[in-house]
Order: sequence, then structure tokens, then C-alpha cells
Amino acid sequence: AQSVAQPEDQVNVAEGNPLTVKCTYSVSGNPYLFWYVQYPNRGLQFLLKYITGDNLVKGSYGFEAEFNKSQTSFHLKKPSALVSDSALYFCAVRDMSMDSNYQLIWGAGTKLIIKP
Amino acid sequence: ETGVTQTPRHLVMGMTNKKSLKCEQHLGHNAMYWYKQSAKKPLELMFVYNFKEQTENNSVPSRFSPECPNSSHLFLHLHTLQPEDSALYLCASSQVRGDGTGELFFGEGSRLTVL
Repeated sequence: AQSVAQPEDQVNVAEGNPLTVKCTYSVSGNPYLFWYVQYPNRGLQFLLKYITGDNLVKGSYGFEAEFNKSQTSFHLKKPSALVSDSALYFCAVRDMSMDSNYQLIWGAGTKLIIKP
Repeated sequence: ETGVTQTPRHLVMGMTNKKSLKCEQHLGHNAMYWYKQSAKKPLELMFVYNFKEQTENNSVPSRFSPECPNSSHLFLHLHTLQPEDSALYLCASSQVRGDGTGELFFGEGSRLTVL
């Protein structure tokens, strides 16, 4: 079965330090992977996606994610965290099986807290 | 962010009330979605409309009734809800290309509280 795991409910990082938000997945076939961010009292915003090609994907707000096929991971990273990066982050994988209608399978989310 | 707008942003209703959530997308997309977001749980897909036709109904109770009159508007009609239905309801849209590469664009959500 297709699935997505975000193993950390919360990640705490000091401002200016690098951050990583982890995501692992399980799919049959090639994965289409997405990261979204949700700021307090807002809807979700698309950050970046991996479809094919370069394993390092760059997205909005200075974020990037590295696709690792052997580890079935798609971790979100940023070299230097800002307090304004504090939000809820969701990883998702597209279910490309024939009867799925290509719907997204979501992780439970990771709360990122950046401390000044 | 005005691509997808949802109203109302907050709604409090009793279990015997009838209310509706409204969503409008200004992006020219051909698919619209309703999701339910509860704390510390993955987003739950409720309904999908492609080209105004409902293509997904993920075992949602009949007290939730969707309506998609055109490709820009989506409603969620609510009646005789339960307190456990209290959640953030998110509307989203996307351009479905048939290759699975498109991303979703979300509204800011309607926070529903059922008393």
C-alpha cells in the first residue's frame, strides 16, 4: 500500500541553523513527491515537488528537498532557518496506481519551531 | 493569496442546523477538492470534482453533501452534523493534466465547530 511517514511530530531549530524535516514514502512505481507548508490560521501552500530528474529540488522561500531513491526519502532542508519558517509542514506522494485517480497521500505533518 | 477563496472562515453550528461552505477558484483549474483537516492527522480527502463531475467520494457520511455547479465553484452542504465533525475544512483546486504532476492550490479553510 502507498504511504507517507513524517517521523517527527515537532522539530526545534535555532534561528540561523540548518533545518531538516524528514519524510519517507512507500509506493509502487516511480514516486511523485510534494512538500506543502501551512502557516497558522492559513491554508496549505505548495513549496516544491519532485517528478523526475535532478535529485535536489529547489522551491519557495529558500527551501530544497533531496530525493533519495535507495532510502525512499524526500527530506526538506534549508541552510539557514528563519523565525518566519515556523509552521506546519506536510509531505505527500501521488498515488499513481490505476484505480487511485492520482490522488495525494499525505503525511501527518511536522511542526517546525524556529527559536530566535 | 486570492486564487482560492473560502467562506465563511469560521462557522459554529448546532447539530440540527443546516449550513453550507462555499469555495471559489480564480485559477482556471479543472478540478476541485474538499479536504478535512483534524489535529495531528493526515489530510482526509472527502470529495473530488473533475470537470464538474464527482470522481471521488471517500466514504464520507451523507450528512456532508457536495455540490459543484461549475468548474469555479464548490459547495459543501452540512446537516445534522456531529461534534466529531468539528475540524478545518479545506478547499483546493488543480489543473489535472493526466500525468499526476500538478500541485494543489488551497484556500485558507473554514473552521467548523459543531456544538
